[in-house]
Amino acid sequence: DSGVTQTPKHLITATGQRVTLRCSPRSGDLSVYWYQQSLDQGLQFLIQYYNGEERAKGNILERFSAQQFPDLHSELNLSSLELGDSALYFCASSVRDRGNTEAFFGQGTRLTVV
Amino acid sequence: AQTVTQSQPEMSVQEAETVTLSCTYDTSENNYYLFWYKQPPSRQMILVIRQEAYKQQNATENRFSVNFQKAAKSFSLKISDSQLGDTAMYFCAFMKPFTGNQFYFGTGTSLTVIP
Repeated sequence: DSGVTQTPKHLITATGQRVTLRCSPRSGDLSVYWYQQSLDQGLQFLIQYYNGEERAKGNILERFSAQQFPDLHSELNLSSLELGDSALYFCASSVRDRGNTEAFFGQGTRLTVV
Repeated sequence: AQTVTQSQPEMSVQEAETVTLSCTYDTSENNYYLFWYKQPPSRQMILVIRQEAYKQQNATENRFSVNFQKAAKSFSLKISDSQLGDTAMYFCAFMKPFTGNQFYFGTGTSLTVIP
């Protein structure tokens, strides 16, 4: 158990809908990262938050947004969903915003858009 | 931009044998970390081994070891005495600790251990 909790584990929704994925980082970790893993692909970095502030952006679509709350949990919001958004979404956490030498991954949320 | 390439989409190995998974990467950075992650059917991303670029000595963790060739930008994973529980997707990843802490992942190698 990595200590990173993601909910829900599975989500099925229709095209055009909006969903929210939730991540609770390890106790003491201030950074949260979101990754997308599409079929037969490696994980693609979406966005990083540190202590409530956005720190880095990767290949995140404009239809997607995220935030980190004062209790350090993070939510990834996906809107106007398309079939191609079906993927595993991973959250990872680490202690600092820079200088980390590892990160801890949650078990992921499998999103299926039908 | 950083890229990580895993050129072996699928591999198989007999139980108790040794297998090597390949990974190459491209970067202009000098200070970075390289990782191998295992993703079993449970989908959990499990850290297998980590290598610091400034260390010449290859990292080892029990049956897992790496061959890190910095000049060639190569980072292969050797699994000795393969076990059925080693069956999984293996991802090579690159991370720059001081200029953006995100991982850059390869596309993975699916390893099957045959009894």
